[in-house]
Amino acid sequence: GQQLNQSPQSMFIQEGEDVSMNCTSSSIFNTWLWYKQDPGEGPVLLIALYKAGELTSNGRLTAQFGITRKDSFLNISASIPSDVGIYFCAGQLSSGNTPLVFGKGTRLSVIA
Amino acid sequence: KAGVTQTPRYLIKTRGQQVTLSCSPISGHRSVSWYQQTPGQGLQFLFEYFSETQRNKGNFPGRFSGRQFSNSRSEMNVSTLELGDSALYLCASSPQGPMNTEAFFGQGTRLTVV
Repeated sequence: GQQLNQSPQSMFIQEGEDVSMNCTSSSIFNTWLWYKQDPGEGPVLLIALYKAGELTSNGRLTAQFGITRKDSFLNISASIPSDVGIYFCAGQLSSGNTPLVFGKGTRLSVIA
Repeated sequence: KAGVTQTPRYLIKTRGQQVTLSCSPISGHRSVSWYQQTPGQGLQFLFEYFSETQRNKGNFPGRFSGRQFSNSRSEMNVSTLELGDSALYLCASSPQGPMNTEAFFGQGTRLTVV
């Protein structure tokens, strides 16, 4: 089935550093969502994007819907230890009533 | 407003058994989707229900089935369990159906098949 290419797969960063991760696809998406999952929990929605070029922030998180509608990125500024977790991108194809497609996640580790 | 509730949180079953998992969506949400999450495959879509009707189905064998009740609560069933069915099963609800935009997830049910 349809896959999203999410990179990097994992990151180790120092506390206070900025982080950037992205998702790409060969298909056009109507919607891009970014989730964070903590161990043993379900994914939590961080940011939702609905228009090409849209830039949305949620605290220290900023995400953008690529103008080609085939990619999205998520930035985290001034990382803190509680940012540790797995970040997933998800998108809905433009072809109609289709379920969300998920990337395989970026595992973020923050070194204090 | 209560979030998505999944029960049970943990389950251990033996091969060949069957299992039923339950999901209560956020009040007012009519769309419920189910996903299987494994370390190797990530989040894989199982099926989506809206107004008691299955609207979308993923590429899983017929051993995986589901249903939705009139109060939007949903159950999924896996029959003849296999070791490879061990996974975290996640339910997500959405305010608008049948699309999955802004899906909100429950904590999941961790199924272990031995």
